[in-house]
Amino acid sequence: AQKVTQAQTEISVVEKEDVTLDCVYETRDTTYYLFWYKQPPSGELVFLIRRNSFDEQNEISGRYSWNFQKSTSSFNFTITASQVVDSAVYFCALSGFGNEKLTFGTGTRLTIIP
Amino acid sequence: GAVVSQHPSWVICKSGTSVKIECRSLDFQATTMFWYRQFPKQSLMLMATSNEGSKATYEQGVEKDKFLINHASLTLSTLTVTSAHPEDSSFYICSVATGGAKNIQYFGAGTRLSVL
Repeated sequence: AQKVTQAQTEISVVEKEDVTLDCVYETRDTTYYLFWYKQPPSGELVFLIRRNSFDEQNEISGRYSWNFQKSTSSFNFTITASQVVDSAVYFCALSGFGNEKLTFGTGTRLTIIP
Repeated sequence: GAVVSQHPSWVICKSGTSVKIECRSLDFQATTMFWYRQFPKQSLMLMATSNEGSKATYEQGVEKDKFLINHASLTLSTLTVTSAHPEDSSFYICSVATGGAKNIQYFGAGTRLSVL
């Protein structure tokens, strides 16, 4: 069975601070995908990143960066110099290789205080 | 990525009526779509996998006669909540799976259903 844990239910930071959202996963699959999605107040889930289990390189995209550590089964997400528009619920998710079903974590509600 | 349109965005109905929600893939031929349900401040719960031209695959605990799914074309899947009751009030969201090596789901904007 697959499981994704996002222990941080809610986080609030002041604008321009850096913030890291934690994600820990469990799977018996040897190959799998990890994802992050953003859900702003409007409700739509916005795809942010997909990472293959065999690619442990960290990735940076603008103010966003992701740290994948297979040894600790973690896929953490850092926002640098946070902005008010970053306020949203962020979901980490996992799928098997060749299986498109997503297992979502419970989400982290991030509030950026102006 | 795929562009997904979901309609309506908000619907209010009386108890006992049926409600149809449409999910359209605007720029991608989707053989597989997914339907999720999300309660306030909770995660997404997969309800069913919608397969073009065949029956949907429902997750355990989801009543297939209650939540009818039709995926008649590569661009449209519909979810009908039959004989809706207040406990069916929720946020319903669909996704399109790009499949293959890409294996990414792109989501619609969701439908907020309120049953009075």
